[in-house]
Amino acid sequence: DAGVTQSPTHLIKTRGQHVTLRCSPISGHKSVSWYQQVLGQGPQFIFQYYEKEERGRGNFPDRFSARQFPNYSSELNVNALLLGDSALYLCASSPGTGGFGGNQPQHFGDGTRLSIL
Amino acid sequence: KNEVEQSPQNLTAQEGEFITINCSYSVGISALHWLQQHPGGGIVSLFMLSSGKKKHGRLIATINIQEKHSSLHITASHPRDSAVYICAVNGDGATNKLIFGTGTLLAVQP
Repeated sequence: DAGVTQSPTHLIKTRGQHVTLRCSPISGHKSVSWYQQVLGQGPQFIFQYYEKEERGRGNFPDRFSARQFPNYSSELNVNALLLGDSALYLCASSPGTGGFGGNQPQHFGDGTRLSIL
Repeated sequence: KNEVEQSPQNLTAQEGEFITINCSYSVGISALHWLQQHPGGGIVSLFMLSSGKKKHGRLIATINIQEKHSSLHITASHPRDSAVYICAVNGDGATNKLIFGTGTLLAVQP
C-alpha cells in the first residue's frame, strides 16, 4: 500500500501570493494532521482533520486554512504569503482521531518544501 | 521554556557505540513518540509509548511517567543510524496533536 503522499514536493512563491498543498493519507486512514517545520526547529502543529471536520488547530493565523474531502485527502491553504512561511510542510495520517486516550502512531509524508521569495 | 526538551542537541559517535538520547516534557501526556527524520524531510515513526519500555531491533525506548522523562537508546550504532531523532508528545488524548522537541542530530562515524 502507498504511504502518505504529498504534492508538490517543492514550491517557490513570492510574498503576497497564496498556495495550496495537498495530502493523500494512507488508504483507510481517516485523520490527517498538518505540521509546519521551519529550518532547524521541530514541527509545529497546524491542523487536524477527522471525518472532514476540524478537530484541532494550532497557534497559526487565519491566513492558514485547510479542509478534508470525502476520500479523506486534505488541502492546506495559505494566503498572503510571508517570508516567514518558508518551511517544510508535513502531512501525517492515522486511522482515527484517537479519542478516549486512544492515541495512534502517525504516518508522515515526505513533506512539501515551500520557499517564499 | 519548551514543553518538550531534548538532549543533547548534537551527538557524534563512533560506529558500534551505545547511544542515548533524552527527552523531558513539562505537560501531561497521553503518549510519547520517538521519530526519525533524514535529510530531505521524511519522518518515520519509531515508537509510541505511554509506559514502560519498547524494543525494536537495535532501538530501545523507555519512559518514566512520574519523572516526565523518556530515553531512546541505540545499541551497536551504525553510520546508517545518522539522522535527526525527535521526541514528540500527545498532550491531548482527544486529538492527534503532537508537541515536538527540537530534535537531536546524530552522526555516527565509521
